[in-house]
Amino acid sequence: DVKVTQSSRYLVKRTGEKVFLECVQDMDHENMFWYRQDPGLGLRLIYFSYDVKMKEKGDIPEGYSVSREKKERFSLILESASTNQTSMYLCASSFSDLVTNTEAFFGQGTRLTVV
Amino acid sequence: DAKTTQPPSMDCAEGRAANLPCNHSTISGNEYVYWYRQIHSQGPQYIIHGLKNNETNEMASLIITEDRKSSTLILPHATLRDTAVYYCIVRVGWGSDMRFGAGTRLTVKP
Repeated sequence: DVKVTQSSRYLVKRTGEKVFLECVQDMDHENMFWYRQDPGLGLRLIYFSYDVKMKEKGDIPEGYSVSREKKERFSLILESASTNQTSMYLCASSFSDLVTNTEAFFGQGTRLTVV
Repeated sequence: DAKTTQPPSMDCAEGRAANLPCNHSTISGNEYVYWYRQIHSQGPQYIIHGLKNNETNEMASLIITEDRKSSTLILPHATLRDTAVYYCIVRVGWGSDMRFGAGTRLTVKP
């Protein structure tokens, strides 16, 4: 079974802390994605990566950075957590070749609360 | 911004077909249409995708209009377990992002 594993299911951090959210996939996928999900807003893309050390901004990158040093791992970093970053964070991965390898797989999410 | 437009909510009677529309009027020739759904508290799950031909799998059918500007996801016999938020997205291939909109909340009623 394909697995996308997020390091924590629930996380509580203090305002101003540096926060690391880790995502690991075991299918040798090129693409990896980070989203946040808030009520009524659907999934919003924060960053994505299509290769090791490559990253692209999504729609809401402000306040976040990412790291992809190895193909299987994509980290989301909150440099200085703020209360408006309280949210559900979802990681996903997929192959690049959408013709033959189609679907993206999602992790179960990390519910982050910043207090 | 998401490249697709979907109604925010829909209801369907159990056992009936659920037809979920999606507008993607700015789709380009190399973009595929994908559908995912998200059941409460879980990560989204892939349903089906297509380029220009209609597609069917064990979960659903996808009907794409000839001009490719809209599509419809069909769940032929909806069950209560199909209650979820359904997302329609468009993607190209290598190096592409994957942007979701707010989706359609489908409620299947007994």
